[in-house]
Amino acid sequence: NAGVTQTPKFQVLKTGQSMTLQCAQDMNHNSMYWYRQDPGMGLRLIYYSASEGTTDKGEVPNGYNVSRLNKREFSLRLESAAPSQTSVYFCASSELGFYNSPLHFGNGTRLTVT
Amino acid sequence: QKEVEQNSGPLSVPEGAIASLNCTYSDRVSQSFFWYRQYSGKSPELIMSIYSNGDKEDGRFTAQLNKASQYVSLLIRDSQPSDSATYLCAVISGQGNLIFGKGTKLSVKP
Repeated sequence: NAGVTQTPKFQVLKTGQSMTLQCAQDMNHNSMYWYRQDPGMGLRLIYYSASEGTTDKGEVPNGYNVSRLNKREFSLRLESAAPSQTSVYFCASSELGFYNSPLHFGNGTRLTVT
Repeated sequence: QKEVEQNSGPLSVPEGAIASLNCTYSDRVSQSFFWYRQYSGKSPELIMSIYSNGDKEDGRFTAQLNKASQYVSLLIRDSQPSDSATYLCAVISGQGNLIFGKGTKLSVKP
């Protein structure tokens, strides 16, 4: 039982390049989330998917797009990377929604944009 | 803007002591409260959840909630060096958003 799996673990991009962060969960959870974590800023929600087929913006969605490919997979795409997107990105899932349903986090992707 | 505030620390306690971590929140209608532990370079993991006023104990951990004063705390008894980590307080706001505090770094000295 792997839980939440994120790929890649590390990535370096040049400004303007694009990439997709992959996330998959094997817990049959309904909801999935993408967070970024920056020093002094804490965890901030980028996008979430309350259920298969739906996605919604979080606190900091600008510069990102997401796809809920199926119940297991939720990807995050940077179309034109900027240095401000240098961060650690965490994917998470929960069985139900936010309420009474703890988040299970993946191991994170450390992204550097030069 | 709904906020969750934590002292960033570092909070340093000797091994075997009680570590007390505090968190305040601004949204009076918040109903669900969580503590996550995050080791350096790792992902957050849930260690406690609390929904009602009072204390909730789980092993060496006790979560305390006081909705009237809008604070939630985490006590770690018999602190061990392995408890050294950053502890994140998270609150579900009245609008249903999960808001994280910036975390308190705890260091337990042998």
